[in-house]
Amino acid sequence: QPVLTQSPSASASLGASVKLTCTLSSGHSRYTIAWHQQKPDKGPRYLMKVNSDGSHNRGDGIPDRFSGSSSGTERYLTISSLQSEDEADYYCQTWGTGLWVFGGGTKLTVL
Amino acid sequence: QVQLVESGGGEVQPGGSLRLSCAASGFTFSTYAMHWVRQAPGRGLEWVTFIQYDGTFKYYTDSVKGRFTVSRDTSKNTLYLQMNSLRTEDTAVYYCAKDHFTGSTIDSWGQGTLVTVSS
Repeated sequence: QPVLTQSPSASASLGASVKLTCTLSSGHSRYTIAWHQQKPDKGPRYLMKVNSDGSHNRGDGIPDRFSGSSSGTERYLTISSLQSEDEADYYCQTWGTGLWVFGGGTKLTVL
Repeated sequence: QVQLVESGGGEVQPGGSLRLSCAASGFTFSTYAMHWVRQAPGRGLEWVTFIQYDGTFKYYTDSVKGRFTVSRDTSKNTLYLQMNSLRTEDTAVYYCAKDHFTGSTIDSWGQGTLVTVSS
């Protein structure tokens, strides 16, 4: 079954770009993942799905500042033109046979 | 648009029971699988359970097997989570979530309901 690993924290400056990484466990390089954003004291929000070929599909209303990509067992979320409102926790998520898994989350700080 | 509204949370003693509800609207409830996901205080997201669109398949994380039961009522567009033999480690915000189709990514979330298990 897949396991997802994320760095606990990341930071970038207002107006800059940041690339968050979600690593799939060995042998799971073809898995699709989803990215979710969670702001303090709020429920999560679905951002997009990222396929193993790097294609991605944003959720309704998600700005194109958010994009996804892929390389091997790594799945990426890139946020460009960072805004203060992007400061949040970001979780990746995938699924296997009869179970769904989340990464530990990355706390993004906008400087 | 999709709306998921959880209710039923509260404080309960260890060993007690609670039933959560999730009222769904804005989509054809009967054609989508659903999930419950929880988040303990200060912790990350943890998947709890999945139910197929027609209720035929149900899956649970190991820590709740035999204690929690997921169900759905299509006539009421409502998802349920019956939680028995509650433990202090079940304390969390419980989120109702919609699957993208019949068992893939989660693509919509509710606002959550807090369950506190404490003596």
